[in-house]
Amino acid sequence: AQKVTQAQTEISVVEKEDVTLDCVYETRDTTYYLFWYKQPPSGELVFLIRRNSFDEQNEISGRYSWNFQKSTSSFNFTITASQVVDSAVYFCALSITAGNKLTFGGGTRVLVKP
Amino acid sequence: EPEVTQTPSHQVTQMGQEVILRCVPISNHLYFYWYRQILGQKVEFLVSFYNNEISEKSEIFDDQFSVERPDGSNFTLKIRSTKLEDSAMYFCASREQGAVYGYTFGSGTRLTVV
Repeated sequence: AQKVTQAQTEISVVEKEDVTLDCVYETRDTTYYLFWYKQPPSGELVFLIRRNSFDEQNEISGRYSWNFQKSTSSFNFTITASQVVDSAVYFCALSITAGNKLTFGGGTRVLVKP
Repeated sequence: EPEVTQTPSHQVTQMGQEVILRCVPISNHLYFYWYRQILGQKVEFLVSFYNNEISEKSEIFDDQFSVERPDGSNFTLKIRSTKLEDSAMYFCASREQGAVYGYTFGSGTRLTVV
């Protein structure tokens, strides 16, 4: 069975600080996909990134960056120079095939104070 | 950008009543999913649907739940006799075959059972 752990339940930062969200996953499959979703206060799930198990390149998209480390089964997410609009719950998720169900972590609530 | 549409956005129902949650997936998508999020908790997989049949379901998806694709465009989740613990946000998602960018989620239906 798959498992995703987000140990940080809530992080509070002041605007412009960097914030890193941890995600640790468990799976016996060698082919899998990792995702990050953002859930703003309005409640919808916003897709941020998808990474497959064969691609360990780190990725940067604007103020967002992701660090995938297979050796530690981690897929961490950093928001650089945080803004109030980044306040949301962030979920890490795992799928063992491209079409299979998503297993979500418990989420990390990020509160960015002005 | 194509969207997954869910209606209604919020539904209040009395315990024991049947409720149908509706979703219109993206038109060329072939895989459909329902997820549930109890308030403040993680997002949980309920069921996946492909080629007009259930491909996988979770332990949560018991005999009280059913899914249907009645007309080639809608994808519905029915709860036969609602319980208080069914109160949650229900998300529909869809995905095209071989999608690189993952699932597209709808904005959710908040179900409140009173």
